[in-house]
Amino acid sequence: DAKTTQPPSMDCAEGRAANLPCNHSTISGNEYVYWYRQIHSQGPQYIIHGLKNNETNEMASLIITEDRKSSTLILPHATLRDTAVYYCIVRVHNFGNEKLTFGTGTRLTIIP
Amino acid sequence: NAGVMQNPRHLVRRRGQEARLRCSPVKGHSHVYWYRQLPEEGLKFMVYLQKENIIDESGMPKERFSAEFPKEGPSILRIQQVVRGDSAAYFCASSHSNTGGFRSPLHFGNGTRLTVT
Repeated sequence: DAKTTQPPSMDCAEGRAANLPCNHSTISGNEYVYWYRQIHSQGPQYIIHGLKNNETNEMASLIITEDRKSSTLILPHATLRDTAVYYCIVRVHNFGNEKLTFGTGTRLTIIP
Repeated sequence: NAGVMQNPRHLVRRRGQEARLRCSPVKGHSHVYWYRQLPEEGLKFMVYLQKENIIDESGMPKERFSAEFPKEGPSILRIQQVVRGDSAAYFCASSHSNTGGFRSPLHFGNGTRLTVT
């Protein structure tokens, strides 16, 4: 799996949009970009994933650059409950190679 | 729909005892993954199973650890002769796929926290 690079920590004011960057410059054509978050002591929570088009769901938006070498997760109106560690992961969709490999992520703190 | 259920939530074992961790995947999911998270560290992949088969065990310690996912019933992660270094949170995830190439995201349970005294 391609490696990802994320800033170790970020702050965001409550109510503002949180923009979390991720670099995955060695991503290959069949690898998807996934975002998960882990709120203290809970299991990782799936947020969103995409291949090359931008994606949006009820939780967040995912913007993937045209060359696919980087992406940004956007939480449009951050709340205190969004404080968590956010993981950007690339995952290939081939049988036998389904696992997610977690890095160190970005610790996002929402400031009241 | 119930998500991934793990039990027990907390497990205390003395050194040398056995620990059995259970994971019931999301209904209809046939893929199960186990991860370990040491205190203040990231999640490390251990093993990936599909009904009755181990697909990838590249993250499993070679000794004392085993996993199964029988045709009926939950997946079990078994740790024999536990040591203090086994103290960690163990997370299970599940997913499903089809022959058309669809892959679902992994959905995680809230983990079992194992403490070895």
